[in-house]
Amino acid sequence: GENVEQHPSTLSVQEGDSAVIKCTYSDSASNYFPWYKQELGKRPQLIIDIRSNVGEKKDQRIAVTLNKTAKHFSLHITETQPEDSAVYFCAASNPGWGATNKLIFGTGTLLAVQP
Amino acid sequence: DGGITQSPKYLFRKEGQNVTLSCEQNLNHDAMYWYRQDPGQGLRLIYYSQIVNDFQKGDIAEGYSVSREKKESFPLTVTSAQKNPTAFYLCASSIARTGNTIYFGEGSWLTVV
Repeated sequence: GENVEQHPSTLSVQEGDSAVIKCTYSDSASNYFPWYKQELGKRPQLIIDIRSNVGEKKDQRIAVTLNKTAKHFSLHITETQPEDSAVYFCAASNPGWGATNKLIFGTGTLLAVQP
Repeated sequence: DGGITQSPKYLFRKEGQNVTLSCEQNLNHDAMYWYRQDPGQGLRLIYYSQIVNDFQKGDIAEGYSVSREKKESFPLTVTSAQKNPTAFYLCASSIARTGNTIYFGEGSWLTVV
């Protein structure tokens, strides 16, 4: 089955610096890759997603890149702010799994933005 | 996001007892899911359902059961057969097609005492 690996597990940056989180997936048929942000004790919330027909997507300070050949995708956060501190999860979904949008998640990255 | 309601938010269970977590959504989504999250770990899929009266096991279904009698509701029962049930449980829903956003409920904290 699909396996999603995420690195690093923890990341500490200074306010204003950039942060990059990387994920790799095993099933080349996966075609949907969302990123979720989870603050302590709260629900995960979608921050950005990308589909396999594009290589990059940007939304203000966050961007995601996808390399289908290498089977990896990355989250980029620029000009980090203390409120960016949270756990970030990547995920992958495969249409071959049926109609349901079933997601397989990475293990998460704890991002700490130091003021 | 506000369309998925989980209850209770906190629950304590004695060993050997079954407990049922409620999940209701008013987003008119066909697909619903249950994920388990352990401290410092990712989300693992327990069960999912694409349509009423149908559900499939996820990666860690042992010790859990679900039902889907109504489109809006997908309750999860944690049975006494689940050896390590203490965790944060997240219900989610989406349009039943790959590439559509999955929305999560607020979650339920289950502690076995």
